[in-house]
Amino acid sequence: KNEVEQSPQNLTAQEGEFITINCSYSVGISALHWLQQHPGGGIVSLFMLSSGKKKHGRLIATINIQEKHSSLHITASHPRDSAVYICAVLGDTDKLIFGTGTRLQVFP
Amino acid sequence: SAVISQKPSRDICQRGTSLTIQCQVDSQVTMMFWYRQQPGQSLTLIATANQGSEATYESGFVIDKFPISRPNLTFSTLTVSNMSPEDSSIYLCSVENSRVRVGYTFGSGTRLTVV
Repeated sequence: KNEVEQSPQNLTAQEGEFITINCSYSVGISALHWLQQHPGGGIVSLFMLSSGKKKHGRLIATINIQEKHSSLHITASHPRDSAVYICAVLGDTDKLIFGTGTRLQVFP
Repeated sequence: SAVISQKPSRDICQRGTSLTIQCQVDSQVTMMFWYRQQPGQSLTLIATANQGSEATYESGFVIDKFPISRPNLTFSTLTVSNMSPEDSSIYLCSVENSRVRVGYTFGSGTRLTVV
């Protein structure tokens, strides 16, 4: 079993829909990261969380430390949100452990 | 946050040859990280590059195959040596930003295909 699990693996949506991507982890962490990877391979960091909730534009990230679970929400989705979203946790070894990603496609 | 320039963005290489990937950061950083992402897989840490000392390699990765240079606090290179088709992956460098909300900055990636 992977230490970081994401669901769903693939997600399609119509423009304007509310989207939720989930991340569960099984190790102790000091922080959780949400990343966005575009088709060319480059990665953009979206959020770093250690508790509660953060919001940036149409993106919202939440984390429940007790349940070892985080969610990434996209409100009013747009085709330009199409990308792979990756959850990564910073564990006791101070190294990032990555999930396998959720591939999102938003259609106009 | 730091800005990373990674080159090349992609390359197609013959088996048995070597490719050197460069990452230039616009500010001084202590540690740089090199990752590999094989097709359909998550990122795997290859090594951590510290200025002035040898890189620290993760299990399964060796210096002879992935030599790393870190001549100063803003630059690092990763070489993929004696390539085989199994080395076809995206390679990314990353640095930690302790002062900003997002934690880490990643390079734009190098998509390597070995034929």
